[in-house]
Amino acid sequence: AQSVTQPDIHITVSEGASLELRCNYSYGATPYLFWYVQSPGQGLQLLLKYFSGDTLVQGIKGFEAEFKRSQSSFNLRKPSVHWSDAAEYFCAVGATSGTYKYIFGTGTRLKVLA
Amino acid sequence: DGGITQSPKYLFRKEGQNVTLSCEQNLNHDAMYWYRQDPGQGLRLIYYSQIVNDFQKGDIAEGYSVSREKKESFPLTVTSAQKNPTAFYLCASSPTSGNTIYFGEGSWLTVV
Repeated sequence: AQSVTQPDIHITVSEGASLELRCNYSYGATPYLFWYVQSPGQGLQLLLKYFSGDTLVQGIKGFEAEFKRSQSSFNLRKPSVHWSDAAEYFCAVGATSGTYKYIFGTGTRLKVLA
Repeated sequence: DGGITQSPKYLFRKEGQNVTLSCEQNLNHDAMYWYRQDPGQGLRLIYYSQIVNDFQKGDIAEGYSVSREKKESFPLTVTSAQKNPTAFYLCASSPTSGNTIYFGEGSWLTVV
């Protein structure tokens, strides 16, 4: 079955520390991969996406993610976290063609300590 | 600016009433979607539409209805048949199948 797993429900880091949010997927073929961020009571904002090519992709707000086909993973990283990064982060996959269904993980809530 | 506009932001409904959530996009996207978000459950697809006058049920369509009379608009009606409608509702759109999906700011629905 197609699925997206974000194993960490909550993560707490200190401001200035590095961050890695994990995402694993199960899919029949290499899907399109996305990371979104959601502030409380707001919609989802696209951080970055992977369609093809270089497996290390850069996004907005200093985030990057690496696609590892062998591990079916698409982990999100940031070298130095800012207090404003506190939010919920969602990993998602989409089919490369033929279907309009996207599969979202259940999210990881990030808390940043001053 | 281009984007997706949802209204109202907050809506209260009495039990037994139908309510309609509005979603308008000016991105010229073909596909539009409605998701429901509950705490700890991620996003669940209610309905989606690939083209005007056509739409498909998602994973949790029971108790909801939609229409797609215009490319820009995809309203969602939460009917009295929806047993637990209190949730955060997100409208989204994408240019084509599998492309990047963009979201509106969401609407809170509370049953009182």
